[in-house]
This record gives sequence, structure tokens and C-alpha cells, in this order.
Amino acid sequence: EAQVTQNPRYLITVTGKKLTVTCSQNMNHEYMSWYRQDPGLGLRQIYYSMNVEVTDKGDVPEGYKVSRKEKRNFPLILESPSPNQTSLYFCASRSRIGGTEQYFGPGTRLTVT
Amino acid sequence: RKEVEQDPGPFNVPEGATVAFNCTYSNSASQSFFWYRQDCRKEPKLLMSVYSSGNEDGRFTAQLNRASQYISLLIRDSKLSDSATYLCVVNKRSGAGSYQLTFGKGTKLSVIP
Repeated sequence: EAQVTQNPRYLITVTGKKLTVTCSQNMNHEYMSWYRQDPGLGLRQIYYSMNVEVTDKGDVPEGYKVSRKEKRNFPLILESPSPNQTSLYFCASRSRIGGTEQYFGPGTRLTVT
Repeated sequence: RKEVEQDPGPFNVPEGATVAFNCTYSNSASQSFFWYRQDCRKEPKLLMSVYSSGNEDGRFTAQLNRASQYISLLIRDSKLSDSATYLCVVNKRSGAGSYQLTFGKGTKLSVIP
């Protein structure tokens, strides 16, 4: 089954404690990205990657890091989380060909206290 | 002007009603257009692509007007299960053969018994 998986699905942590949210896709997609979704603000792209070892900033990259060492994985790293990073996070992947469907992971609900 | 703009709603309609959502986009170079559906606290999923000639999928009809930079989604004979947030998505070329997706903030639909 074609899918994007994320872990963990729910996370409560404290300010400053480094965390990683994993993302994996099984569709051999070149393009992966991370979004955060907040009430009234919609989906905002954090980082994206067009292929292995190629990453770039999205609209709201501050406070986040990513890496793309393998095609299937695209982890999101928060080196020093802060309360304003409390949000619902989605990983997504799609083919690099324009006009194709983007698949989303089930989401990670992060709370930073 | 925002890149992709939608009326946030909520639209509260009775079962069986016909409801229409509109979306405008600012970038005339936009290439592809989509409607995604997002259930509460779940990931967005592709509902349908939008083609220049207009397209229909069961009770759903999508229209594109490139001259006015306007996309619409019509839902006929609304069902309770149509209750969700509908996201307008625009895909544009971003250089180096890649494409970027821009999401509207979504229109919330509640179908009432």
C-alpha cells in the first residue's frame, strides 16, 4: 500500500529538549516536504527536498532542520523546541512531475510546554 | 493579494443541498490545480484535479477559469459525510524543473441532518 508514515503521532515535550519526527514514504518519490498547520493559518511549508542531499527552506524554516540521506526518509529535527512550535505537523511526498498527487502522512501533534 | 485565497466559511448546509466553493489565485504562471479534502485532525487527501475544460466526479464538479484566475468546486446532493474542510491547491513551476504547491487555508463545510 502506498503510504507516508510519521512517528511519533503525538508528542509532549519541554522547551529546549531536542526531538526528531521521522517520515518515510514507500512510493519512490523524489519530492518530500514538511508542513505545519495552525488554526487560521492553514498549511505552511517548513522545508522541502527535491531529492537525496537536496533540501531547501520553505515559508517557515526558523527553528527546524531536515536531512535527506536516503530517498525514502525525511526527518524533521527541532534542536531546541519552543512553545510557539506547538502545532500539527505533516510530512508529504510526491513525484517530481508536476500535476501529480501529493500524499500526506497522518500527522504529528506536538505540544511544547 | 494572497497566493491562494478561499472563503474560510463555515458553510452550514442541509443534507441534499448544493454548495459551491470558490478560490482565487494570484500567480498567472500556475500550472495545475487541485481540490483536497481534510477531515478534522486528519491529513489532507486529494479530492480531484481541476482541468481547463472542467471535470466531474460523481456529485463533485470542478471548474477552472484561467482568465479570471478562479477555481470552483460544486457539490450536489450534499451528504453528512461531505462535512470536512476543502483546500484549494495551486501548483506552479519554481525553476530547475521543479514545482511548488501552494495551499489555500481551506473552506469548512458542515452538512446538517
